[in-house]
Amino acid sequence: AQSVAQPEDQVNVAEGNPLTVKCTYSVSGNPYLFWYVQYPNRGLQFLLKYITGDNLVKGSYGFEAEFNKSQTSFHLKKPSALVSDSALYFCAVRDMRAGGSYIPTFGRGTSLIVHP
Amino acid sequence: GAVVSQHPSRVICKSGTSVKIECRSLDFQATTMFWYRQFPKQSLMLMATSNEGSKATYEQGVEKDKFLINHASLTLSTLTVTSAHPEDSSFYICSARLTNSLAGGTDTQYFGPGTRLTVL
Repeated sequence: AQSVAQPEDQVNVAEGNPLTVKCTYSVSGNPYLFWYVQYPNRGLQFLLKYITGDNLVKGSYGFEAEFNKSQTSFHLKKPSALVSDSALYFCAVRDMRAGGSYIPTFGRGTSLIVHP
Repeated sequence: GAVVSQHPSRVICKSGTSVKIECRSLDFQATTMFWYRQFPKQSLMLMATSNEGSKATYEQGVEKDKFLINHASLTLSTLTVTSAHPEDSSFYICSARLTNSLAGGTDTQYFGPGTRLTVL
């Protein structure tokens, strides 16, 4: 079974400050991890993904995420937040083990609010 | 990059009518597409998996006779909400699965912009 948790419903940060949106996961095999962003009344936009390799993954719009196997986490980060980053962020995981589902499981989403 | 379109972006219909929503992968072929439903400020609820040339696989609790899915080509899947009622009002989002055969068969879902359905 695969599952993902986003422990925060909402994250508030001041513009210019670093931001972190948390995500933890549970899989039987190796994880295949994603971050998506959703702006109001829009579909999800792909930000980045981790399959293997370097634990720090760089994605779109200056976002990056750090894979931590021991803590089973894949937190999304950005060094300096912009007001335009305010949106809903979804973490997703897929179990890479043979025979596992190719359908990712999505977290419930975290609303990021960046204050001017 | 991989682009997925949805049409219409917004539709308002009367109770009892049927509504068709189209999902297209514009620059890649997708043997698999997914249909999600999203309620306000909530996560995505997977409704069904649409496979080109075969019947869709519906998630538990989703009425297949009410939500008809057709995936007739590698770039088009349609969702028809039959005999729509106000409780069907929601944001419907499709996604298309892009498989990278050069990267160990790993894949990524790319999402359409969504369709806001309002049933009066």
